[in-house]
Amino acid sequence: TQLLEQSPQFLSIQEGENLTVYCNSSSVFSSLQWYRQEPGEGPVLLVTVVTGGEVKKLKRLTFQFGDARKDSSLHITAAQPGDTGLYLCAGGSRGSTLGRLYFGRGTQLTVWP
Amino acid sequence: KAGVTQTPRYLIKTRGQQVTLSCSPISGHRSVSWYQQTPGQGLQFLFEYFSETQRNKGNFPGRFSGRQFSNSRSEMNVSTLELGDSALYLCASSLEAGGYGYTFGSGTRLTVV
Repeated sequence: TQLLEQSPQFLSIQEGENLTVYCNSSSVFSSLQWYRQEPGEGPVLLVTVVTGGEVKKLKRLTFQFGDARKDSSLHITAAQPGDTGLYLCAGGSRGSTLGRLYFGRGTQLTVWP
Repeated sequence: KAGVTQTPRYLIKTRGQQVTLSCSPISGHRSVSWYQQTPGQGLQFLFEYFSETQRNKGNFPGRFSGRQFSNSRSEMNVSTLELGDSALYLCASSLEAGGYGYTFGSGTRLTVV
């Protein structure tokens, strides 16, 4: 059972289109992180959000943490072929699971020129 | 500064053998975590070490073990390899346990035949 559910699993779009990836859970997390992974490489951290309702922008990427800290979304504006990759959300907690991240299954994004 | 270094990058082993994977974290990072990534299960947490102490362990059999040295370098060992252990093993380091951002290495691709 995955604590974090990501949708959609696959996304294939044309350059210039906008898209949103969702990450949902029934559990509360102290932090929510988004990573991007390319084939044969490890995930690369894009952003960390820690406050409910927080919105962070990274150029064309907008990340939002839900008010209840159970869900998050990643919105990409005017997607480019360089955005192609596997997008992963990961939740972190304090207490007994300190140091452990719970990952979603990922969203495989392909942007065609 | 140097990133997280994992060695070797690729490994082919036979069922029943054992394997040791190595991870050198970013200088100054004291928390090291290990994850197993497979197409079917995604990223699954193995264990996390902080200052040579295992702080958390995932739901893997006892064949999977690890340790951390005084210089924060970490090793994980898998004994009595099974075909299902074929995966990408990823190491991640953070400045402190439960840190809000992890840097991943490129991983070790283990194939068990």
